Amino acid sequence: GAVVSQHPSRVICKSGTSVKIECRSLDFQATTMFWYRQFPKKSLMLMATSNEGSKATYEQGVEKDKFLINHASLTLSTLTVTSAHPEDSSFYICSARARPGAPATNEKLFFGSGTQLSVL
Amino acid sequence: GQQLNQSPQSMFIQEGEDVSMNCTSSSIFNTWLWYKQDPGEGPVLLIALYKAGELTSNGRLTAQFGITRKDSFLNISASIPSDVGIYFCAGRAGGTSYGKLTFGQGTILTVHP
Repeated sequence: GAVVSQHPSRVICKSGTSVKIECRSLDFQATTMFWYRQFPKKSLMLMATSNEGSKATYEQGVEKDKFLINHASLTLSTLTVTSAHPEDSSFYICSARARPGAPATNEKLFFGSGTQLSVL
Repeated sequence: GQQLNQSPQSMFIQEGEDVSMNCTSSSIFNTWLWYKQDPGEGPVLLIALYKAGELTSNGRLTAQFGITRKDSFLNISASIPSDVGIYFCAGRAGGTSYGKLTFGQGTILTVHP
């Protein structure tokens, strides 16, 4: 099946530093990637939608200068949490939407395994 | 915006019991998806539903797409300890498989051996 690799799985950083999270589609091309944030035992909240080669679309209330998203290729999107603060500590999950045709599944959206960010 | 209400929020059951959870929406969805999430992991797709009235099974799991397009349920039969986790429903409003998802609040399932 289609695999989405998210890296790192865990990161601890100091307040004020920036952290980059990568989301890669390993065996398919993803025209669109989605970034979610999740608090413990809570639902996934969509932060932004990124399309390859264009600017990301952010959901209401999400600071675009705080959460920088780059989708430079059809297999890679990155989320950079800039000047991280303890309140940015959370579980971040990406998902990738495959191009029509491949993989040959009905459902074209595949999730990464998440990144646990802890800001000290 | 669209909202999904998922219930129950949590369930504590004995191994072997059946489980039922459901989601209702304030608006119509064209796709309903059910995911399971283990701690520290991303959600894993269990069942996808694409037609109103559709009833689909995946092993001990059965899910249905409501006729009104505003609800869906998931049943788990003969639960086992590895069923423990958080179950999420998700809806997609777009007419294709490419629209963004709206997630329910999740159902935390605990199974006692």
